[in-house]
Amino acid sequence: AAGVIQSPRHLIKEKRETATLKCYPIPRHDTVYWYQQGPGQDPQFLISFYEKMQSDKGSIPDRFSAQQFSDYHSELNMSSLELGDSALYFCASSFSLDEQFFGPGTRLTVL
Amino acid sequence: GDSVTQMEGPVTLSEEAFLTINCTYTATGYPSLFWYVQYPGEGLQLLLKATKADDKGSNKGFEATYRKETTSFHLEKGSVQVSDSAVYFCALNAGGTSYGKLTFGQGTILTVHP
Repeated sequence: AAGVIQSPRHLIKEKRETATLKCYPIPRHDTVYWYQQGPGQDPQFLISFYEKMQSDKGSIPDRFSAQQFSDYHSELNMSSLELGDSALYFCASSFSLDEQFFGPGTRLTVL
Repeated sequence: GDSVTQMEGPVTLSEEAFLTINCTYTATGYPSLFWYVQYPGEGLQLLLKATKADDKGSNKGFEATYRKETTSFHLEKGSVQVSDSAVYFCALNAGGTSYGKLTFGQGTILTVHP
């Protein structure tokens, strides 16, 4: 069965650089969620989109922005990167409001 | 706000031992409850879920019952295997205007020895 695809899987950036993370949901899923998981921590909700509109917002820094495109894929744009942004970034997709299917994550390292 | 509290970890067991990982929650509405498992270097996988009080979720020998009176969703398995070694997250979806976002507990590291 098709799963959520995230790219890249690993990303290394310098401080103050920008990064773009991509997420391709399971076909026919209309909702995308982004989570950030710091080292040894639980995933924290960042933002979600339903039918290409932002549906909810969590603890996402102003330096981050995201959108969902017409083909339902989503991109998380991160600017002025800080050391504390180093984390595993998960994308999840769903068709219903309940069950989310997670991608393998993008590991971002900021040096 | 909504929150999930898991038992302190890590948990270390011998193969075939009984497993319980406690999870309690706080939510204003009637949440759906989930257990996710994360194997080393991988993403989160849904293990089981329950959407209303007294529902029992089960999968791969794991079970959890939605207890509204005690606001709990404890994970149990009768006989663990080495391959069950992973991090387990309890989570809730508060529903309503939350549009499905998940609130996670702290995670419990489980290590099973042969």
